[in-house]
Formats: sequence, C-alpha cells, structure tokens
Amino acid sequence: DVKVTQSSRYLVKRTGEKVFLECVQDMDHENMFWYRQDPGLGLRLIYFSYDVKMKEKGDIPEGYSVSREKKERFSLILESASTNQTSMYLCASSSTGLAGRYNEQFFGPGTRLTVL
Amino acid sequence: KQEVTQIPAALSVPEGENLVLNCSFTDSAIYNLQWFRQDPGKGLTSLLLIQSSQREQTSGRLNASLDKSSGRSTLYIAASQPGDSATYLCALGDSNYQLIWGAGTKLIIKP
Repeated sequence: DVKVTQSSRYLVKRTGEKVFLECVQDMDHENMFWYRQDPGLGLRLIYFSYDVKMKEKGDIPEGYSVSREKKERFSLILESASTNQTSMYLCASSSTGLAGRYNEQFFGPGTRLTVL
Repeated sequence: KQEVTQIPAALSVPEGENLVLNCSFTDSAIYNLQWFRQDPGKGLTSLLLIQSSQREQTSGRLNASLDKSSGRSTLYIAASQPGDSATYLCALGDSNYQLIWGAGTKLIIKP
C-alpha cells in the first residue's frame, strides 16, 4: 500500500515564525502535491513537484515556498506565518501515467496548522 | 473552465439502504475521475479511480460510474453502514495534469 506521512498532525505557531511542513512517500512516486483545505473553499493546490528539485505553482502559491531535494520528500515552507494561513494542509503523491499525466493521488493524514 | 458540482451537499439515510452520490462536470475532456472519502479532521482516502476510457469501477460495496457525454459520475454504495459516514469528494484529472475538486457530499448513515 502507498503510504504518505506528514511530520505533524497538529501544529501551533506564532505570527512571523518560519514554518516547515514535511511530507514523505514510500512508493517512489514522481509527483508530489501540497494542498490546503478550508471550510467553504474546498481543496486548493498550493504547489506541486514532478521531479526532484522541480516545482510548479498551483492556484494559491503566495506566502509559500517548497523544497524537493529527495524524491520521497516534499517540504512546504511558510516564510513568515500569518493568521490567514491557519488551515488544514494535505500532502499527496502520484505516479506518472501515459502522456505524462498523473495517476491516482494518495493523501497523507493532514497537518492542522494554527497561526496565533 | 471546468466546474465540478456535487449535489446534495449533505445526505442522511438509514442503515442498510443503497444510495447514490452524484458528481457532475461541465467539460467532457477529462483524463480520469477519482472518488475520495474524508473523515472529520483527517486526510483523504482514495476509493476508486476511473480512467476516461472506462465506464465503471467496483471495489467491495462501492461502484463508481462515468458518463462523459452527460458530464456525470455516480458513486453507488450498497447496504450502507454507519462506518460509511464521511464526506465524499470527487475530483477530475484535467488536461493540465491537475485535479479539479467538487465541494463534497457529507453522508450520515443512521443506525
């Protein structure tokens, strides 16, 4: 079974702090994704990566950066946390199928981040 | 622009009933469609994936169908159980290699 793990289930940080969210997958997937989920807004893609050291902006990249130094690990970085970044953060991974398209996405358990 | 709609937003049924959850979309040019469940405060669990060339997929008591011409997918749950209570989300893989998400249907199975 695919396993996607996230470093923390719950995290509380203060405004202005630098925050690191870590995601690790064990299925040798090429593609990894970071989403945030908010009530009434659904899931929104922040960043994704289709290879080591490669990254692409999603729908809401402002205020975030990412790092992918190893294939199995994808980190989301909040350079200076703000209260509007309080949210559930979900990581996912997938393999690449025909014509370079993404296959089934598998999700981690999520990190509930609160910024005070 | 592709839009994904899940109606109803919430559904409550007695245990044991068969039920259907709906997912509609506006553009038939999709790569695949994925159904997920999400328990409160948890991550998403992938239930079924239907490729654009397929009509349906089955896993246990779950059956998902896809009709691109009508822009519709359904998730059929047979013999519902209280443990099926969760929010069910559908997501379409589009030509830009990303998922377009529905808002979900919150399902409650009453014992």
